[in-house]
Amino acid sequence: DSGVTQTPKHLITATGQRVTLRCSPRSGDLSVYWYQQSLDQGLQFLIQYYNGEERAKGNILERFSAQQFPDLHSELNLSSLELGDSALYFCASSPIRGAGNSPLHFGNGTRLTVT
Amino acid sequence: QKEVEQDPGPLSVPEGAIVSLNCTYSNSAFQYFMWYRQYSRKGPELLMYTYSSGNKEDGRFTAQVDKSSKYISLFIRDSQPSDSATYLCAIHGSGNTGKLIFGQGTTLQVKP
Repeated sequence: DSGVTQTPKHLITATGQRVTLRCSPRSGDLSVYWYQQSLDQGLQFLIQYYNGEERAKGNILERFSAQQFPDLHSELNLSSLELGDSALYFCASSPIRGAGNSPLHFGNGTRLTVT
Repeated sequence: QKEVEQDPGPLSVPEGAIVSLNCTYSNSAFQYFMWYRQYSRKGPELLMYTYSSGNKEDGRFTAQVDKSSKYISLFIRDSQPSDSATYLCAIHGSGNTGKLIFGQGTTLQVKP
């Protein structure tokens, strides 16, 4: 068990809808990362938050947004959903802001299916 | 060109075989290298973490980094059916963030 908790495990919704994915990082970790995993693209970095502030942005669509709350949990909001957004969404955490000498620890993901 | 390239396989080996998994990367500034294992319907799990060129061993697993060739490898000795999973190399990109860049992942099946 990595200590990173993601809810819900599965989500099925229709095109055009909006969903919220939730992540609780490991105790003591200040950084939260969101990744999208699809069969053809692999694990793609979406966004990083550190102690409540956006730290880095990857290939995140404008329809997607995220935030990190004072208790350090994070939410990823996906809106105007399209079929192509169906994927596994992973949250990861690490204790520090940026140095590479702190590997990420992943949750078990949320499987999103858009019909 | 992708920043990290990894052959997706699949790779099928008999139990007890030595497995070699490889990745290449494009940016010589990359410094930190990791291997993750991902079982079906689970999140990636950290296996090995290395910083410098050379070998790092942990039980049946050895991670190797060759910075001059921009090439990283993971060797699994005495492979077991429980090693059947997808193996992802990951590299810390340059810059002051902690984000990792992942390879496509290699699917490994170890047959009893």
